[in-house]
Amino acid sequence: NAGVTQTPKFRILKIGQSMTLQCAQDMNHNYMYWYRQDPGMGLKLIYYSVGAGITDKGEVPNGYNVSRSTTEDFPLRLELAAPSQTSVYFCASSLTGSSGNTIYFGEGSWLTVV
Amino acid sequence: QQQVKQSPQSLIVQKGGISIINCAYENTAFDYFPWYQQFPGKGPALLIAIRPDVSEKKEGRFTISFNKSAKQFSLHIMDSQPGDSATYFCAAKGTNNLFFGTGTRLTVIP
Repeated sequence: NAGVTQTPKFRILKIGQSMTLQCAQDMNHNYMYWYRQDPGMGLKLIYYSVGAGITDKGEVPNGYNVSRSTTEDFPLRLELAAPSQTSVYFCASSLTGSSGNTIYFGEGSWLTVV
Repeated sequence: QQQVKQSPQSLIVQKGGISIINCAYENTAFDYFPWYQQFPGKGPALLIAIRPDVSEKKEGRFTISFNKSAKQFSLHIMDSQPGDSATYFCAAKGTNNLFFGTGTRLTVIP
C-alpha cells in the first residue's frame, strides 16, 4: 500500500552542491509530477512526465532536471543548489492527465540550502 | 501571477460551525476544480472535486459550490470538527498542470 514514495524526507545542502530527490510509485500510473511548496504560495509545478522517456517543463523548471527511464521512477535533480531552492518538494502521480483523474501526492521532501 | 486566488489565508471556527473557503480563477479553459486537504508533515490529499458544468457537489459534510459566470468556487465544511484542522488548497486543472491556490489554514476549536 505504498503509493508515492519520496526520499530523503529531510536534507540540508550547501550552496553549489547537487543532489537527487528520489520518487517511486507502485500504482502503474503514467503521469508523474514534481511540485514545490513555498510558504503562502501554494504548490508550483516544476516538471512532469506523461510516460517513460517523456518529460516536460512546468511553471518553475529553472535549476532542476528530471528523467523518466521507467514507469515507476521519476527522480528530480538539483544542480548547483541555491538558497531560492529551499522548499518542500512533492512528487505526485496520476493514471492519466485527463480531468477527473486523481493526483496522488507523496509525503514530501524538506530541502534547506545554506 | 497567481492563476487561482484563495481566501481567507487562515480561518478559526468553533466545533459544529460552518467553515467557508473561497477561490476565484480567470482562465475559462480550466475544466476541473479539486480541493485538497493537507495535514502537517504530509502531502496534499484529494478531498472533493467538481466539474464546471455542475453548480454544487456534496460529499458528506463537504460541499463545493461553483459559480461559472463569476468564475468562483467555494468549499463549505458543515459541522466542522477538530479533526478537520488542516490546510486546504483549491486548484484548477489546465492542460497537464494543476494550478493551486495559496492555501487556507483552518483551525477548529473544540
